[in-house]
Amino acid sequence: AQSVTQPDIHITVSEGASLELRCNYSYGATPYLFWYVQSPGQGLQLLLKYFSGDTLVQGIKGFEAEFKRSQSSFNLRKPSVHWSDAAEYFCAASGGSYIPTFGRGTSLIVHP
Amino acid sequence: NAGVTQTPKFQVLKTGQSMTLQCAQDMNHNSMYWYRQDPGMGLRLIYYSASEGTTDKGEVPNGYNVSRLNKREFSLRLESAAPSQTSVYFCASRTGVSGRALSGELFFGEGSRLTVL
Repeated sequence: AQSVTQPDIHITVSEGASLELRCNYSYGATPYLFWYVQSPGQGLQLLLKYFSGDTLVQGIKGFEAEFKRSQSSFNLRKPSVHWSDAAEYFCAASGGSYIPTFGRGTSLIVHP
Repeated sequence: NAGVTQTPKFQVLKTGQSMTLQCAQDMNHNSMYWYRQDPGMGLRLIYYSASEGTTDKGEVPNGYNVSRLNKREFSLRLESAAPSQTSVYFCASRTGVSGRALSGELFFGEGSRLTVL
């Protein structure tokens, strides 16, 4: 079955530190991959997406993600976290079926 | 730019009551979706509509019905609400469901928080 796994429920980092959020997918073929962010009380907003080409994709707010086919991963990174980055982050995949599949989310906590 | 608009934003119901969540998008998208979000569970798809005139069940359809009224509007109805339906509901839309459209992002509304007592 198609699935998206985010192994970390919560991640805590200090402001200014680097960040990596993990995402693994299980699909028959390489799906289209997305990262969304959800601020408290808001809907989800797209950070970036990958569907072909360069395996390192740049997104909004200084985020980037790297697609690794050998590891079935699409991890999200940011070199220096800001307090405003505290939010819920969702990895998602689409392809092969009509239904976009979401991971369970990772809650990012930023300490001053 | 309104994008995806959901109403109401908040609702409290008693067990057994019915209600309809409304969703409208102004982006001329073909496909629309209803998700529910519960702590630790991520987003689970309730129903979706690949195009005007079609609807299909998602992962958790029991207790819900939907109507794709026209290309813009996709409503979610709870006929007899239960406490297990307490959740935050999100409507989303995107260009389409096949081919190149699968690479398209979902656009989300701000959510409707429903409490069933």
